[in-house]
Amino acid sequence: AQKVTQAQTEISVVEKEDVTLDCVYETRDTTYYLFWYKQPPSGELVFLIRRNSFDEQNEISGRYSWNFQKSTSSFNFTITASQVVDSAVYFCALSGHSGGGADGLTFGKGTHLIIQP
Amino acid sequence: DGGITQSPKYLFRKEGQNVTLSCEQNLNHDAMYWYRQDPGQGLRLIYYSQIVNDFQKGDIAEGYSVSREKKESFPLTVTSAQKNPTAFYLCASSIKYLQETQYFGPGTRLLVL
Repeated sequence: AQKVTQAQTEISVVEKEDVTLDCVYETRDTTYYLFWYKQPPSGELVFLIRRNSFDEQNEISGRYSWNFQKSTSSFNFTITASQVVDSAVYFCALSGHSGGGADGLTFGKGTHLIIQP
Repeated sequence: DGGITQSPKYLFRKEGQNVTLSCEQNLNHDAMYWYRQDPGQGLRLIYYSQIVNDFQKGDIAEGYSVSREKKESFPLTVTSAQKNPTAFYLCASSIKYLQETQYFGPGTRLLVL
């Protein structure tokens, strides 16, 4: 069965601080994809990044960066110089067979990020 | 403007009543999905459809039904058999295969009267 663990339920930092959101996954598949989504208070999930299991290069997009380490089954997300607009719930997800066996995304429980002005 | 629309934004259900949540996409995506989100929880898969006229149960399909008669539309019916329907429901679509990125609609919040 697949599993995604986001151990940080809530993180609160002051604006301009750097913050890292952790994601650890479990899967038996050799080919899989990892995702990060942002859920602002409006509720809609916004896609941030997709990574396949064969590409361990770190990725940077503006203030966002992602560190994929297959050896530790982790796909961590760092926001540099955080801003109030970054406040949201962030979900890590894994594609393939879900915990119940169906095909879909397996989500972690999310990390609520609060950026204080 | 391409995207996924869900309606209504809020829906109230009386006991014993079936209600239908709408999901429409104009992205020309083959695959569509329904997820349920409970407070403080991640999303759980209810049903998915890889192609028109085909759909499969997800992890928590009991008490729900779907149809996929058109590529653009994937409505979800919450039946009276679903004893705890209060949740936030999110529809998603992807180009084709399940490994592709799923894009989400704005969601429908279902409340029981």
